[in-house]
Amino acid sequence: NAGVTQTPKFRVLKTGQSMTLLCAQDMNHEYMYWYRQDPGMGLRLIHYSVGEGTTAKGEVPDGYNVSRLKKQNFLLGLESAAPSQTSVYFCASSSREFNYGYTFGSGTRLTVV
Amino acid sequence: AQSVTQLGSHVSVSEGALVLLRCNYSSSVPPYLFWYVQYPNQGLQLLLKYTSAATLVKGINGFEAEFKKSETSFHLTKPSAHMSDAAEYFCAVSEWTGNQFYFGTGTSLTVIP
Repeated sequence: NAGVTQTPKFRVLKTGQSMTLLCAQDMNHEYMYWYRQDPGMGLRLIHYSVGEGTTAKGEVPDGYNVSRLKKQNFLLGLESAAPSQTSVYFCASSSREFNYGYTFGSGTRLTVV
Repeated sequence: AQSVTQLGSHVSVSEGALVLLRCNYSSSVPPYLFWYVQYPNQGLQLLLKYTSAATLVKGINGFEAEFKKSETSFHLTKPSAHMSDAAEYFCAVSEWTGNQFYFGTGTSLTVIP
């Protein structure tokens, strides 16, 4: 089925460890996004990309890096994980015509201990 | 930048009662408007969207929303709540010339048997 796939679905990290979250979409969407979701705070944009090879900071970019080397993939990296990065991470994509809305992945639940 | 306000972080209704979830946005220019639903431990799914066609928009699962420019509102309603409607609901806004969506902080709907 067409859509957005996130890997892994769950991960536990120790403070200071690094990891990369992978987002892949097969809808040929130009735009891709990484959000984090925390209780009572809704969705907060971390980074986004408006095309292959381009990235931009969102609302809460500190502690994260991203790359979009291929149009269909958007990677989110944590170089040195902190307990404050414990969250559920969602990837989303959209076409340039925003009237279709976002398509979301199923999320990655990350715990940093 | 846009802002989205969802009044009431928690709403409880009895099964069979009217569901009303409120959303107000800040733009003076009619944007694209969306409602998303998130069931426990899942990603966000598109419920319905307004993209400058009819002001009353019908979505999945019997939900509908009305765009009111004068009130800058896009409230979500359903005539009769069902137990399966229990979920988190997010309102989102996108400007026609923008490159991202702006989400409200969400409303958790509880349906009481």
